[in-house]
Amino acid sequence: QQQVRQSPQSLTVWEGETAILNCSYENSAFDYFPWYQQFPGEGPALLIAIRSVSDKKEDGGFTIFFNKREKNLSLHIKDSQPGDSATYFCAAKGNTRKLIFGLGTTLQVQP
Amino acid sequence: EAGVTQSPRYAVLQEGQAVSFWCDPISGHDTLYWYQQPRDQGPQLLVYFRDEAVIDNSQLPSDRFSAVRPKGTNSTLKIQSAKQGDTATYLCASSLAGGEDTQYFGPGTRLLVL
Repeated sequence: QQQVRQSPQSLTVWEGETAILNCSYENSAFDYFPWYQQFPGEGPALLIAIRSVSDKKEDGGFTIFFNKREKNLSLHIKDSQPGDSATYFCAAKGNTRKLIFGLGTTLQVQP
Repeated sequence: EAGVTQSPRYAVLQEGQAVSFWCDPISGHDTLYWYQQPRDQGPQLLVYFRDEAVIDNSQLPSDRFSAVRPKGTNSTLKIQSAKQGDTATYLCASSLAGGEDTQYFGPGTRLLVL
């Protein structure tokens, strides 16, 4: 059973649009939610993260919206650029140091 | 500051062969993680260490996989008798206890078992 679910599996947007990537989780004990960006042939790199005490986190053109009651969150990528084309992973962690990853959303930004 | 380094970057094996992956974490990071990432999936934790001690290896197929971190710095992950189902990218990550405990990943080793 997938503890962290992501949707859509793949997403295509035009340059300049806002891409919205969704994530939901099962375990109420999760309290830290990082998003990782991965390019082909590379390891994942931390993009932005949020703790469950917050409902929004912004960093540059990336924003996480978090809904604790509904156990879901979303990553908004504003003014998407072709260089943002990558796979994005939502992950979750509770009181251990184990990160649980979703299956990822592959984003394609068309020029 | 140097990131997490891994070697080799690629490995191709026949079923039944053994292979070892090596990881050098970020200097000063006390926690080291090994993940398996099958194609088109997210990373899945295999094992992690705090210093030289194994903290959790519950997802490591112990009959064929082993991992060590003898001095609490570099680490080696070994597959004793590879199977086609082991085809994946093996990622190493490290973190420093406390604060956000952010995990920093290496580039991975892409393993193909024929």
